[in-house]
Amino acid sequence: DTGVSQNPRHKITKRGQNVTFRCDPISEHNRLYWYRQTLGQGPEFLTYFQNEAQLEKSRLLSDRFSAERPKGSFSTLEIQRTEQGDSAMYLCASTPSLGGEGYTFGSGTRLTVV
Amino acid sequence: GQNIDQPTEMTATEGAIVQINCTYQTSGFNGLFWYQQHAGEAPTFLSYNVLDGLEEKGRFSSFLSRSKGYSYLLLKELQMKDSASYLCAVRDDNTNAGKSTFGDGTTLTVKP
Repeated sequence: DTGVSQNPRHKITKRGQNVTFRCDPISEHNRLYWYRQTLGQGPEFLTYFQNEAQLEKSRLLSDRFSAERPKGSFSTLEIQRTEQGDSAMYLCASTPSLGGEGYTFGSGTRLTVV
Repeated sequence: GQNIDQPTEMTATEGAIVQINCTYQTSGFNGLFWYQQHAGEAPTFLSYNVLDGLEEKGRFSSFLSRSKGYSYLLLKELQMKDSASYLCAVRDDNTNAGKSTFGDGTTLTVKP
């Protein structure tokens, strides 16, 4: 297993455009999380999947953000009508259980909205 | 609300020992994690505490006191490669989702 994979690594988009990111978790991990991180701050929770079910979504997340995990494997995060404030590193993480393993993070997708 | 505090920056000398503190106030507690994050990279998991006491893992140890809402990460025999940001994270939800609230990280600089 090559760990958690995220694509693309970098994305530059114009304000108002839609963007979609992909995350492929470790295959045996049924829990998948999306976080967002800006410079000098810790990761901020966005949403969580157990298998294909989206069980929690941050109240901070506007309705421009949507995530899916069809078939409980890879996940996509879409941002519609991007704004400059959406510029951040988007991190995907997976974990097999609620034990002490911690998250395995992907390398992230750095989004720049110009 | 959820609040996790850790110092913004610390500096230490190669070969020395450094302790990075973390205090937390969260509505729930289901474990505390420490992660290491090098500049431009994703966080990597270092340690996990759910019961009070010290957990040792090679050069790194982590301590937890749930009654005080306090943890520390202890790094021994510092190496230059230990220069990184160290993130304290509390798994704070009671919904079984497993989400964590992160502190803003402590940037550690190791000098020769």
